[in-house]
Amino acid sequence: DVKVTQSSRYLVKRTGEKVFLECVQDMDHENMFWYRQDPGLGLRLIYFSYDVKMKEKGDIPEGYSVSREKKERFSLILESASTNQTSMYLCASSSSEGRKGSYEQYFGPGTRLTVT
Amino acid sequence: QKEVEQNSGPLSVPEGAIASLNCTYSDRGSQSFFWYRQYSGKSPELIMSIYSNGDKEDGRFTAQLNKASQYVSLLIRDSQPSDSATYLCAAGDPYYGQNFVFGPGTRLSVLP
Repeated sequence: DVKVTQSSRYLVKRTGEKVFLECVQDMDHENMFWYRQDPGLGLRLIYFSYDVKMKEKGDIPEGYSVSREKKERFSLILESASTNQTSMYLCASSSSEGRKGSYEQYFGPGTRLTVT
Repeated sequence: QKEVEQNSGPLSVPEGAIASLNCTYSDRGSQSFFWYRQYSGKSPELIMSIYSNGDKEDGRFTAQLNKASQYVSLLIRDSQPSDSATYLCAAGDPYYGQNFVFGPGTRLSVLP
């Protein structure tokens, strides 16, 4: 079974703090993703990575950065947290192997971040 | 703008009935389609994937794909209260194959 884990289920930070969210997958997947999910706005892609040290901006990258130094680990960094970054953050991973276009994404349990 | 649309619901069905969830997508080049179930406060869980026109069955779930109409559906037979959740439809992005475009989700309520 695919296992995607995230460093925290709940996190409370103050405005201006630097925040690190970590995601680890144990299936040797090439692709990893960070989303945020907000009521009424659905799932929105922040960044994704298709290989170590490679990253691409998603739909809402502003205010965020990412790091992928090892294949199994993908970190999301909020350089200076703001209240509008209060959200559920979801990490996902997928494989590029197998049937072309399959790319099934598997999600971690999520981190509910509150910025006060 | 690539879009996936779903009726937000709530869709209410009695226990034991068939629940029918629908999804349309805008990019005709999309090749892969997925249904996720998300319980309140939890993360999405993949329940079905479909790549070819027609039906794909897995237990009580049947996914249907019609590429000509750009339409995907999920049927849940013998609905149970434990099926009450939000169901997300996703289409694979033909340009960045590993990326998905997610719909807003349909909330399903199965009444005992």
